[in-house]
Amino acid sequence: AQSVTQLDSHVSVSEGTPVLLRCNYSSSYSPSLFWYVQHPNKGLQLLLKYTSAATLVKGINGFEAEFKKSETSFHLTKPSAHMSDAAEYFCVVSPPYSSASKIIFGSGTRLSIRP
Amino acid sequence: EAGVTQFPSHSVIEKGQTVTLRCDPISGHDNLYWYRRVMGKEIKFLLHFVKESKQDESGMPNNRFLAERTGGTYSTLKVQPAELEDSGVYFCASSQSLYEQYFGPGTRLTVT
Repeated sequence: AQSVTQLDSHVSVSEGTPVLLRCNYSSSYSPSLFWYVQHPNKGLQLLLKYTSAATLVKGINGFEAEFKKSETSFHLTKPSAHMSDAAEYFCVVSPPYSSASKIIFGSGTRLSIRP
Repeated sequence: EAGVTQFPSHSVIEKGQTVTLRCDPISGHDNLYWYRRVMGKEIKFLLHFVKESKQDESGMPNNRFLAERTGGTYSTLKVQPAELEDSGVYFCASSQSLYEQYFGPGTRLTVT
């Protein structure tokens, strides 16, 4: 069985400070992991993905995530927040080479940026 | 290149009425998916088309939901009759591969 937990429903940071969005997963197999972002009135956009290659994954817009098997975590980070980062972020887990029905979405973390 | 589009963006209907949601995938994408997010909870898989065929419809909640994909192009998701618990945001996505899904902006459905 698989599950994914986003530990914070809402995170607020000041512009220019680091961002940390937390995600823990549970999987019987070595999973594929993803982060998606949804800006208001837009579709979900793939930020980055981990598919059993390098454990530190770099994505778009300066985001990165590190796969830590021992901690079953896949936290999303960015060194310096920008106002345009305000959005909702989803952590997603999937068994490798599996069907879409096995994809599990986290409940989302809403990121607010203070000027 | 146009992304995935969905129509309408918002729909408010009364319980018992019928609503049809439409999704236009990215041209050339054989795979089309429907997802739903209810009341701020997790996004859940509904079904997956490959071209015009239903590859997996295990996530469809009940027989009030009917999805079609005519000619392997656009898709419709009809809810008939709608119930209060059907309220939520319905997302469509398309892809060439499973790991590169492109999502539409969603249709927000409110059943009153």
